[in-house]
Amino acid sequence: AQSVAQPEDQVNVAEGNPLTVKCTYSVSGNPYLFWYVQYPNRGLQFLLKYITGDNLVKGSYGFEAEFNKSQTSFHLKKPSALVSDSALYFCAVRDGDSSNTGKLIFGQGTTLQVKP
Amino acid sequence: GAVVSQHPSRVICKSGTSVKIECRSLDFQATTMFWYRQFPKQSLMLMATSNEGSKATYEQGVEKDKFLINHASLTLSTLTVTSAHPEDSSFYICSARTSGSTATQYFGPGTRLLVL
Repeated sequence: AQSVAQPEDQVNVAEGNPLTVKCTYSVSGNPYLFWYVQYPNRGLQFLLKYITGDNLVKGSYGFEAEFNKSQTSFHLKKPSALVSDSALYFCAVRDGDSSNTGKLIFGQGTTLQVKP
Repeated sequence: GAVVSQHPSRVICKSGTSVKIECRSLDFQATTMFWYRQFPKQSLMLMATSNEGSKATYEQGVEKDKFLINHASLTLSTLTVTSAHPEDSSFYICSARTSGSTATQYFGPGTRLLVL
């Protein structure tokens, strides 16, 4: 069975400092990994994805994530946090070996709070 | 990135009435769309997978006669909450998936439903 774990309910970081939001996954086939951000009362915005290739993936708004197969992790990172990055972040996985109708499995979400 | 619209953004209705929510992929065609429900400060709960030209696939515990889904074209899926009750009050989010084996899901802005 597929699963995603985001071990931290909330991450607090000072503006200008680097940030990391953690994600680990479990999937039987090849993992297709995604990060989304959700601002209050809004839908999810796509940040980045890993399908294959370079383990370091760069996405929107200066975010990046590193795929680590041995640790089954896909942590989201940003070198310098902004107050406007404060939001709810979701990691998601899809089994790449399933048919094209494979479902996204979401983590429980991590609230990022960036303080000035 | 791809854009998904959702209408209405907010609706208030009386108990016993039906409410229709529209989801459109604006700049791509989507053979598969998804409907989610989200409770406050929680992750997304997949309700059903909507396939263009065929019946939707509902997740376990979701009443198909209460949550009617129609995916009549490659850019439009609708969710109708029939005979709404206060417990149906929630944030409903649709998602449309691009085509191909490395497809990405893009999300609508969500619909806040309040049943009085």
